[in-house]
Amino acid sequence: KAGVTQTPRYLIKTRGQQVTLSCSPISGHRSVSWYQQTPGQGLQFLFEYFSETQRNKGNFPGRFSGRQFSNSRSEMNVSTLELGDSALYLCASSFVPRTNEKLFFGSGTQLSVL
Amino acid sequence: SQQGEEDPQALSIQEGENATMNCSYKTSINNLQWYRQNSGRGLVHLILIRSNEREKHSGRLRVTLDTSKKSSSLLITASRAADTASYFCATDTQGGSEKLVFGKGTKLTVNP
Repeated sequence: KAGVTQTPRYLIKTRGQQVTLSCSPISGHRSVSWYQQTPGQGLQFLFEYFSETQRNKGNFPGRFSGRQFSNSRSEMNVSTLELGDSALYLCASSFVPRTNEKLFFGSGTQLSVL
Repeated sequence: SQQGEEDPQALSIQEGENATMNCSYKTSINNLQWYRQNSGRGLVHLILIRSNEREKHSGRLRVTLDTSKKSSSLLITASRAADTASYFCATDTQGGSEKLVFGKGTKLTVNP
């Protein structure tokens, strides 16, 4: 069974640009969560999708958005990139969005904003 | 915002020794999970403990939960160099939304 796949693995952008990251969950998983990881702030919850609907959203500005498709694949978009957006972006999937379900993480997308 | 906070931030031990990491949280929980992350990679689930459980074991891992003190500990026995990684606790919030909030992690180094 294939794991959670995130693409691309590395990305370099400049300030002001926008970026789209992709996440393919494990087959059969319908819940996808996104996290931003930085050395200073640790893992910060971005948002969670289930059956194409956003169920939870973290404390991030509106420049951060996401969506989920009917095949459960998810994308997140960051517009007008800032230097502080440089981070490892992690996607995690589970069968359903319950906190007694373990999350399966992808390897992440390392975003560098110059 | 962090719900759980791990302690210590960093821990260095010799192979064969035991490693203990602690997690404290602020509000009542339903579940607490521990994850491990090798450098720059995704997290891997280790163990889940429910609020009505006090202790769980999985191989060389032992997790305890003290809801009165709002704290949990992860013990790795007979550590190996391959256990070198960062360890995170993740908690939900009782009565809150169904999402997991992670602490900042403990960076464990096991020296051969």
